[in-house]
Amino acid sequence: AAGVIQSPRHLIKEKRETATLKCYPIPRHDTVYWYQQGPGQDPQFLISFYEKMQSDKGSIPDRFSAQQFSDYHSELNMSSLELGDSALYFCASSLRVGARNEQYFGPGTRLTVT
Amino acid sequence: QKEVEQNSGPLSVPEGAIASLNCTYSDRGSQSFFWYRQYSGKSPELIMSIYSNGDKEDGRFTAQLNKASQYVSLLIRDSQPSDSATYLCAVNSRTGGFKTIFGAGTRLFVKA
Repeated sequence: AAGVIQSPRHLIKEKRETATLKCYPIPRHDTVYWYQQGPGQDPQFLISFYEKMQSDKGSIPDRFSAQQFSDYHSELNMSSLELGDSALYFCASSLRVGARNEQYFGPGTRLTVT
Repeated sequence: QKEVEQNSGPLSVPEGAIASLNCTYSDRGSQSFFWYRQYSGKSPELIMSIYSNGDKEDGRFTAQLNKASQYVSLLIRDSQPSDSATYLCAVNSRTGGFKTIFGAGTRLFVKA
């Protein structure tokens, strides 16, 4: 079965640079979520999109923005990178059915800011 | 108080034993509850979802939900060394959207 695809898998950037992470959800899933996970921490919700519209917002810094395109893929744009942005970034997708939204995670992008 | 609380562990059980993982949540409007397994450096993998009070069994896994007590648990029967991982409890409330809150996770070690 098709899974969530994320690219790139690894990314190394310098402070103050920008980064773009891409996510391709499972086909026919209508919701995309972005999470940030630091070492030894639980995934922190950043933002989600439902049917290409922003749905919920979590602890996403103002330096980050995201959008979902007509083909349902999503991109997380990160500017003015800081050392503290180094983390695993996961994308997840789900198909909302009532209150049910089982999220399936992609393999993640490991971002290292030097 | 964190919205979703788990004992960080580590929880150590011998091979073949039952591992019991617990989670409490603060939002009474929560309607969806999930257990994810995460190996180090890998992405969370959904292993159980539960939406109504009671037990739900899937193979060696049983999820238990008690909304009155705001408590959800995961039992792993016949624990195997390959079950050693961090188990994340996740809770989703429709009030204010579909934001999912994760607990900090419980590290489980199954000793051979």
